[in-house]
Amino acid sequence: EDQVTQSPEALRLQEGESSSLNCSYTVSGLRGLFWYRQDPGKGPEFLFTLYSAGEEKEKERLKATLTKKESFLHITAPKPEDSATYLCAVHAPFITQGGSEKLVFGKGTKLTVNP
Amino acid sequence: DTGVSQNPRHKITKRGQNVTFRCDPISEHNRLYWYRQTLGQGPEFLTYFQNEAQLEKSRLLSDRFSAERPKGSFSTLEIQRTEQGDSAMYLCASSPRYREQYFGPGTRLTVT
Repeated sequence: EDQVTQSPEALRLQEGESSSLNCSYTVSGLRGLFWYRQDPGKGPEFLFTLYSAGEEKEKERLKATLTKKESFLHITAPKPEDSATYLCAVHAPFITQGGSEKLVFGKGTKLTVNP
Repeated sequence: DTGVSQNPRHKITKRGQNVTFRCDPISEHNRLYWYRQTLGQGPEFLTYFQNEAQLEKSRLLSDRFSAERPKGSFSTLEIQRTEQGDSAMYLCASSPRYREQYFGPGTRLTVT
């Protein structure tokens, strides 16, 4: 069964203190790994898609990397506005409908950046 | 704004009542998904439409739940005879083929 595990569950950083969030996955044939940001009471906001091991994507202070078993979201010199829950998800194909898939999410990492 | 929209944003209902939520996807996206999210958990898949056809349903989707997407445009999710366990955030997402899914703001359901 496709699974996504994120760690840590919660992370507190001081402004400017860089760190990394981890996402480990088990899926039969990776068809895409996705990072989302979710603010309280809102829907997930798309950040990155990674498709193959060794791939990297960057956006402002965020950088996502992918290996064959896990992905990391590196946060460089975070600011208080980076505080949110970061969700990792993988594409899991539907058994009955070839070519279609759903997202399987981890529980997320709640990041708090203190000024 | 051309993002995914959902209405209502919040719904409070009494146990046993029926509720209906609406999702308007990004106009050029033919794929539409419904997810449910409870506190401290990631979203969980409920059902999937490609154009107007409902092609996948999760075992989470009991007989009290029904979804439609007439003419392949907006979608509705109806819950009949609501139970307290139905309290959650209901999220709608849309995507073009083989691409990332874009989520709406969600509908927060509270069953009292």
